[in-house]
Amino acid sequence: AQSVSQHNHHVILSEAASLELGCNYSYGGTVNLFWYVQYPGQHLQLLLKYFSGDPLVKGIKGFEAEFIKSKFSFNLRKPSVQWSDTAEYFCAVTPGSGTYKYIFGTGTRLKVLA
Amino acid sequence: DAGITQSPRHKVTETGTPVTLRCHQTENHRYMYWYRQDPGHGLRLIHYSYGVKDTDKGEVSDGYSVSRSKTEDFLLTLESATSSQTSVYFCAILPGPNTEAFFGQGTRLTVV
Repeated sequence: AQSVSQHNHHVILSEAASLELGCNYSYGGTVNLFWYVQYPGQHLQLLLKYFSGDPLVKGIKGFEAEFIKSKFSFNLRKPSVQWSDTAEYFCAVTPGSGTYKYIFGTGTRLKVLA
Repeated sequence: DAGITQSPRHKVTETGTPVTLRCHQTENHRYMYWYRQDPGHGLRLIHYSYGVKDTDKGEVSDGYSVSRSKTEDFLLTLESATSSQTSVYFCAILPGPNTEAFFGQGTRLTVV
């Protein structure tokens, strides 16, 4: 069955520190991969997405992610975080075809200290 | 704005009562989803739909049913609400293959 794991549940960083959030998925076929962000009291917003091609994808607000097929991973990175990046981050996966069952990880709460 | 409206936005109901949440879209997209969001659990898929009258179960479908009699509406029903169904419910649409999902504003449901 399709699943997504996010191993970091809570992360606390100081401003300007580098960020890497882990995401691993379980699915045997082609996949589409996503990272979403949720600011307090808001709904989810897309940070970046991967469908095919260059495994290093760049998103909004300086975020990027790398798809490593051999490791079933899609880790999110940002070289220098800001206080405004405080939010919850979700990784998601859907099969690349078929009924597009869209599954999310459990999320990572990021707190950036000013 | 992906044209998604959830109603109601807030609801308090008593244990054992039926509750229906509505997700309405204006774009006639094929794929629609219902999730619940709970601290420590992220978003868990309840049911999803890939067309009118085409629905399937997600990860946490027990106690929930859905209906999609027309493209624009996807209804989530709690037949007999329980306190464990207190949650924030999000609807999402997927415009098509190789696109991202767009989310509604959420419905906060409290079962007392």
